[in-house]
Amino acid sequence: DAGVIQSPRHEVTEMGQEVTLRCKPISGHNSLFWYRQTMMRGLELLIYFNNNVPIDDSGMPEDRFSAKMPNASFSTLKIQPSEPRDSAVYFCASSPSSGGTQYFGPGTRLTVL
Amino acid sequence: AQSVSQHNHHVILSEAASLELGCNYSYGGTVNLFWYVQYPGQHLQLLLKYFSGDPLVKGIKGFEAEFIKSKFSFNLRKPSVQWSDTAEYFCAVINGNQGGKLIFGQGTELSVKP
Repeated sequence: DAGVIQSPRHEVTEMGQEVTLRCKPISGHNSLFWYRQTMMRGLELLIYFNNNVPIDDSGMPEDRFSAKMPNASFSTLKIQPSEPRDSAVYFCASSPSSGGTQYFGPGTRLTVL
Repeated sequence: AQSVSQHNHHVILSEAASLELGCNYSYGGTVNLFWYVQYPGQHLQLLLKYFSGDPLVKGIKGFEAEFIKSKFSFNLRKPSVQWSDTAEYFCAVINGNQGGKLIFGQGTELSVKP
């Protein structure tokens, strides 16, 4: 199994630009999670989906952030407009079920200048 | 609000020393417990997990953890560390009432001196 796939691995952009991060979960997994990791705040859950439906988006920092899961094999996290404080590593994870083990992707390192 | 607390921010050990990393959580109901490891520049990998049954669980690379319900703890141990164990270790908890919401501790950075 290829594991969770994320793209791009690195993204450098300027403040105000739109950023789209992509995730392909492990085939057959029903739950998908987006996390953000920073030195100051550690690992934070942003949003998670069960069967393509958003269940808890309470961790999404503000309206500039949005996430979609149009089908079982693809999800996006979009930031528009981006700001320097959004610089972080964004991880996607998937799980066979909502309370089960989560398997993490390699992450996208985002730098907003 | 629920929380997960890891006692040590940074631990420095020599090779062959024994390791114990503390983890406490605040939720009193049914929980699933995890330890993840993040090697420098890499993503999180599962070390071990506890869902039910024997409270002493064994994971990969010689790690083990003990769930003590009365103490709300899930400490990670390894009898003899190696230089390759240098990494950041995260304790995480899912409680039975919040579906998949995994709450992470702040992480413990382990440095093993050769």
